[in-house]
Amino acid sequence: DGGITQSPKYLFRKEGQNVTLSCEQNLNHDAMYWYRQDPGQGLRLIYYSQIVNDFQKGDIAEGYSVSREKKESFPLTVTSAQKNPTAFYLCASRAGQNSNQPQHFGDGTRLSIL
Amino acid sequence: DQQVKQNSPSLSVQEGRISILNCDYTNSMFDYFLWYKKYPAEGPTFLISISSIKDKNEDGRFTVFLNKSAKHLSLHIVPSQPGDSAVYFCAASAGWSYIPTFGRGTSLIVHP
Repeated sequence: DGGITQSPKYLFRKEGQNVTLSCEQNLNHDAMYWYRQDPGQGLRLIYYSQIVNDFQKGDIAEGYSVSREKKESFPLTVTSAQKNPTAFYLCASRAGQNSNQPQHFGDGTRLSIL
Repeated sequence: DQQVKQNSPSLSVQEGRISILNCDYTNSMFDYFLWYKKYPAEGPTFLISISSIKDKNEDGRFTVFLNKSAKHLSLHIVPSQPGDSAVYFCAASAGWSYIPTFGRGTSLIVHP
């Protein structure tokens, strides 16, 4: 049963702390994405990766970092430089680098500040 | 500057009636449009899409209409069911990018 798994579902961060959100997919998709959703807002792109060992900044990359060492994994680190990290984070993947195939999403991680 | 706009934050419809969700876009380079449905605390799921070479695409109860001259698309759900109650996101991408830009979503409530 293929899909995207995000963990944890809920995460709490202390001030000045870095936290890492996990995203794993077994769909054999080349491209992976991280989005942030705030109340009343659409999905805003943080980072994306079209292929292993390569990634690009999205619209709101400041205060975040990613890695893509394996095809199936695309972890997102929320650093202490991100001053307003409280949000719902969504990971997505898509077959093919250059196609109009729809994205598949995980069920998200809700990050809150303690 | 929003390139994809969903100007109605919410919509309330009676079960069995038609739901019409609207979406406007400003970027004339957009040539592929998608609708996603999202339940609370879950990720969005793909619903239906349309390419700019078409003006209509239908899948069961769901139909998407595209008016390129007006830069407007709409999602029609007929008949609406209580299980359709969710947030619907419109998204658009340009052929050279393939990375969609999302609207802010419209919350649909279907009353029994």
